[in-house]
Amino acid sequence: GAGVSQSPSNKVTEKGKDVELRCDPISGHTALYWYRQSLGQGLEFLIYFQGNSAPDKSGLPSDRFSAERTGGSVSTLTIQRTQQEDSAVYLCASSPNQGANYGYTFGSGTRLTVV
Amino acid sequence: QQPVQSPQAVILREGEDAVINCSSSKALYSVHWYRQKHGEAPVFLMILLKGGEQKGHDKISASFNEKKQQSSLYLTASQLSYSGTYFCGTPEAYYNAGNNRKLIWGLGTSLAVNP
Repeated sequence: GAGVSQSPSNKVTEKGKDVELRCDPISGHTALYWYRQSLGQGLEFLIYFQGNSAPDKSGLPSDRFSAERTGGSVSTLTIQRTQQEDSAVYLCASSPNQGANYGYTFGSGTRLTVV
Repeated sequence: QQPVQSPQAVILREGEDAVINCSSSKALYSVHWYRQKHGEAPVFLMILLKGGEQKGHDKISASFNEKKQQSSLYLTASQLSYSGTYFCGTPEAYYNAGNNRKLIWGLGTSLAVNP
């Protein structure tokens, strides 16, 4: 597609429920990243994919968080048993490859609210 | 180690200039600059890779000092559209930055341009 697409744009869920966030990167971009942004905070790294593999999962806050990418394209971030501290904007970004010379193209994010 | 941005906030009148700094106590592999408008995704501005590098387009430019410990973003003759939060990001793993795309981010500089 023309840009990075994320869905849903907003999600309100009850504490303890599972949620799935979807990211559709720019066609041909091999690198895909998930970050989250809390109110007034900078961006917090969660995970990145090169193709379908995730060389660095160090940013996932707990084992309730998982992510996968299939076909080198769409990625899903799953949060199980959501907690109130999971409330944030979850941003996905892609870049042509993992080289240092490329900037990211971000999606508009999913605003997750856990009540 | 998170880069430090300064100032935290700037208020300008249209046509005025601003400088935003991104600093680190150790040399950075590279510096990425992004602008985020309220409720929108961050938008890539530019990357600087080499000490002493200067880069820019239109009235937004940036520099990277020789020691690669500070980058500055220059906004000249500011326009209303420049308003937003500016973030710098840098690869976390200095020596492995060619393969590690985990960016760590400053907390942002909020820029407001008023008529």
